[in-house]
Amino acid sequence: GNSVTQMEGPVTLSEEAFLTINCTYTATGYPSLFWYVQYPGEGLQLLLKATKADDKGSNKGFEATYRKETTSFHLEKGSVQVSDSAVYFCALSVSGANSKLTFGKGITLSVRP
Amino acid sequence: GAGVSQSPSNKVTEKGKDVELRCDPISGHTALYWYRQRLGQGLEFLIYFQGNSAPDKSGLPSDRFSAERTGESVSTLTIQRTQQEDSAVYLCASSQRTSGYNEQFFGPGTRLTVL
Repeated sequence: GNSVTQMEGPVTLSEEAFLTINCTYTATGYPSLFWYVQYPGEGLQLLLKATKADDKGSNKGFEATYRKETTSFHLEKGSVQVSDSAVYFCALSVSGANSKLTFGKGITLSVRP
Repeated sequence: GAGVSQSPSNKVTEKGKDVELRCDPISGHTALYWYRQRLGQGLEFLIYFQGNSAPDKSGLPSDRFSAERTGESVSTLTIQRTQQEDSAVYLCASSQRTSGYNEQFFGPGTRLTVL
């Protein structure tokens, strides 16, 4: 089956610190990979995606590279801001009849001023 | 334009009662998904609709759970004889369906508490 494993949280960083959130996956078939973010009081929204090996997804200063050889899709940002405080979910989807998403457990990021 | 909306935002019920959760997808989105997030867990897929049909119900945890969709629009998730383990946030998402992956847009969720 399909599964996504995220590093344990929560994570607390100071503003301008470097961020890495690890994500690994197992999948039957060739997955597309996603990072979703949920800001306090808001709904889940897509942050970035990558659909094939070696693709790099990027948005709002966040990046993640699809690594097929290590089955990973780690999220990075060079300098976090207080406004990045949120819950981050790694997810995958295997193209087929329904494109349902398989999510990791999510990790809470808090950024201190 | 309007996003995905869900109602109610919060629902507290007693064990054994039935509940209905509603989802209004983005207009024109033919695909609709229900997910569940229990405390400390990731989101679990429940059911997928394409139009008014549900070709994948594999995530429904028991026969107490059912869902329908009408008019290729509104969907209702019904939980009968609720149990405490049904307490969770229930999320609905919709997407356009052409081919391949289409971004899923999520609603704010319904927080269900079963006492």
